[in-house]
Amino acid sequence: TQLLEQSPQFLSIQEGENLTVYCNSSSVFSSLQWYRQEPGEGPVLLVTVVTGGEVKKLKRLTFQFGDARKDSSLHITAAQTGDTGLYLCAGVYQTGANNLFFGTGTRLTVIP
Amino acid sequence: NAGVTQTPKFQVLKTGQSMTLQCAQDMNHEYMSWYRQDPGMGLRLIHYSVGAGITDQGEVPNGYNVSRSTTEDFPLRLLSAAPSQTSVYFCASSTGVSTEAFFGQGTRLTVV
Repeated sequence: TQLLEQSPQFLSIQEGENLTVYCNSSSVFSSLQWYRQEPGEGPVLLVTVVTGGEVKKLKRLTFQFGDARKDSSLHITAAQTGDTGLYLCAGVYQTGANNLFFGTGTRLTVIP
Repeated sequence: NAGVTQTPKFQVLKTGQSMTLQCAQDMNHEYMSWYRQDPGMGLRLIHYSVGAGITDQGEVPNGYNVSRSTTEDFPLRLLSAAPSQTSVYFCASSTGVSTEAFFGQGTRLTVV
C-alpha cells in the first residue's frame, strides 16, 4: 500500500488568515492532484501538478510540487468561509496509469 | 450534465445480506473505479476498470465484486455484508488519457 500523509489532519482558522497544508510520501509521484470535498459530495479536482518544482495558482490557492516529486503543498491566502472543506491530495505513481492513491485529508474550517 | 450517478444514496443492510451499488457515467470515460472513504483514512481504491470487459483489484478488494459489461456502468457487489464494510462509497471515472477523476455523490452504507 502506498502511503501518502497529509498534515495537519484538522485546521481551524479565522477568516483572512493564511494557511498551508502538506502532502508527503516516501515514493516518487508521476503526478499529483489536489481535490476539495464538501459534505455529502464527492471530491472535485482543484489542480494537477506534473513537473518537479512546479507552482500553480488558482485565485488565492497556490500549489507547489516538490523538486523530487515526493511532496506537495497547498497554500491559501486570506482564507474565506467558502474555503471550508476537506482537502485531499492524490498521487499517481505510474505514468500511463489512472489509479489514484489518496492522502488522509485535511479538514479545514474557516471561522467568520 | 449528469456526469457520474450513484444509487442508492443511503442504504442500511443486515450482516450477511447482499446488495449492488450502482454507478453510471455518461461521459464515455474508459476508466472507472470504486473507492471507500472512512474517517481519517482518505479514499481507498477497491476495484477499477480500464474499459468494458476488463476489471482489476485495488488496495482493498476483499468482500467486493465488480463487472464492466458496458462503458457506462460499473456496479459494485457486496456478496455478504459485514459491519467492517460500513463506509461511504464513491464511484469515479476518467478518460484514461487524463488522470482527472470525476466522482459521484457517494453511497452511505451502514451494515448492522
